[in-house]
Amino acid sequence: NAGVTQTPKFQVLKTGQSMTLQCAQDMNHEYMSWYRQDPGMGLRLIHYSVGAGITDQGEVPNGYNVSRSTTEDFPLRLLSAAPSQTSVYFCASSYDPTVTGELFFGEGSRLTVL
Amino acid sequence: AQKITQTQPGMFVQEKEAVTLDCTYDTSDPSYGLFWYKQPSSGEMIFLIYQGSYDQQNATEGRYSLNFQKARKSANLVISASQLGDSAMYFCAMREVAGANAGNMLTFGGGTRLMVKP
Repeated sequence: NAGVTQTPKFQVLKTGQSMTLQCAQDMNHEYMSWYRQDPGMGLRLIHYSVGAGITDQGEVPNGYNVSRSTTEDFPLRLLSAAPSQTSVYFCASSYDPTVTGELFFGEGSRLTVL
Repeated sequence: AQKITQTQPGMFVQEKEAVTLDCTYDTSDPSYGLFWYKQPSSGEMIFLIYQGSYDQQNATEGRYSLNFQKARKSANLVISASQLGDSAMYFCAMREVAGANAGNMLTFGGGTRLMVKP
């Protein structure tokens, strides 16, 4: 039972480089999202998707791109990395679109931008 | 205005004692859900407990209970009989109807770091 799988777990980038954080879930969840967690803070929503082919912006979308070509995968792209994007990134999914729906989180990806 | 406020950045509790972690929220939505997550030093987010705005009774899950005071917009987490393994960051989060319709948007508080003393 894999749940939500994120890769890589750790990454160091130089300013201006691009990269993709991968997220895959095997629970057939329609709803997927990306959050970032800065030191000492709670999580903030970057982008989310309510199903294949549908994405939208969250609270802090600038500098990030997403796509959802399949139900299982929801990659997060950093277009031109900046030191302000140093953070821990969490992918999450949910099967229940109502207020009761629990989010299932991946283990996180720690990104450092030099 | 912040939607979720956790006023205790850090707390100590003696092993085997109970502890209450505070959470207040702000919403005009009549339908919402409140969640508590635990984040140990290893970094993963672990779901603990859920309370719906229309639930009449306070939620309980093992040693965790949620003290839900709707009029005060308060959803405090109570951990009974603290264990060393309870040392972690704890986050309160809320999902509103609008947020749910927009996907699985949860709004998180800033967290409380709980440290259990032996």
